[in-house]
Amino acid sequence: GQNIDQPTEMTATEGAIVQINCTYQTSGFNGLFWYQQHAGEAPTFLSYNVLDGLEEKGRFSSFLSRSKGYSYLLLKELQMKDSASYLCALIPNDYKLSFGAGTTVTVRA
Amino acid sequence: IAGITQAPTSQILAAGRRMTLRCTQDMRHNAMYWYRQDLGLGLRLIHYSNTAGTTGKGEVPDGYSVSRANTDDFPLTLASAVPSQTSVYFCASSAVAGGVDEQFFGPGTRLTVL
Repeated sequence: GQNIDQPTEMTATEGAIVQINCTYQTSGFNGLFWYQQHAGEAPTFLSYNVLDGLEEKGRFSSFLSRSKGYSYLLLKELQMKDSASYLCALIPNDYKLSFGAGTTVTVRA
Repeated sequence: IAGITQAPTSQILAAGRRMTLRCTQDMRHNAMYWYRQDLGLGLRLIHYSNTAGTTGKGEVPDGYSVSRANTDDFPLTLASAVPSQTSVYFCASSAVAGGVDEQFFGPGTRLTVL
């Protein structure tokens, strides 16, 4: 399988910025996803990176460095509704999506 | 406009019983997937189907079987449930097979095996 590491938990204040890191070791690389999952709900797609660099989508940005086996998800202007788990997932050589355990972000007022 | 639905929402099952979790999508997606999600382990792929009529094994296929008779439906069967199969099960679909496309997830089935 793949080795995907994310911090288990992070806490931040409303209006702040939080960066969630994801490091990985994989047998081949074909892209990396970030998903958001609120407690008791299904995961929903946030972003997809296949080339190095930053992808920006509103308050959320995702960065990829393939040579370093590293990605991060940046959440700006945090809102209470951003309290959720954030899942890093990569596509290895066998094209079967592999998920990390997820990072639970708690936003405090 | 349902997207992807799963049934039942939750189920308590005695060990040794047979159980089929249902999954239906109305997006005409080619690929469908079954995952289980356990605390601290994240989502793990059980089985997948790249197109109707074909299925493949994921990371944790033992004790589970699937079928894909048509585009819309992808049931997951536990032939003889065991307590270690207690988990939340998510079905997902994507327009393009091969994992390179965004996956849409169903609401999940919470299964408890006693």
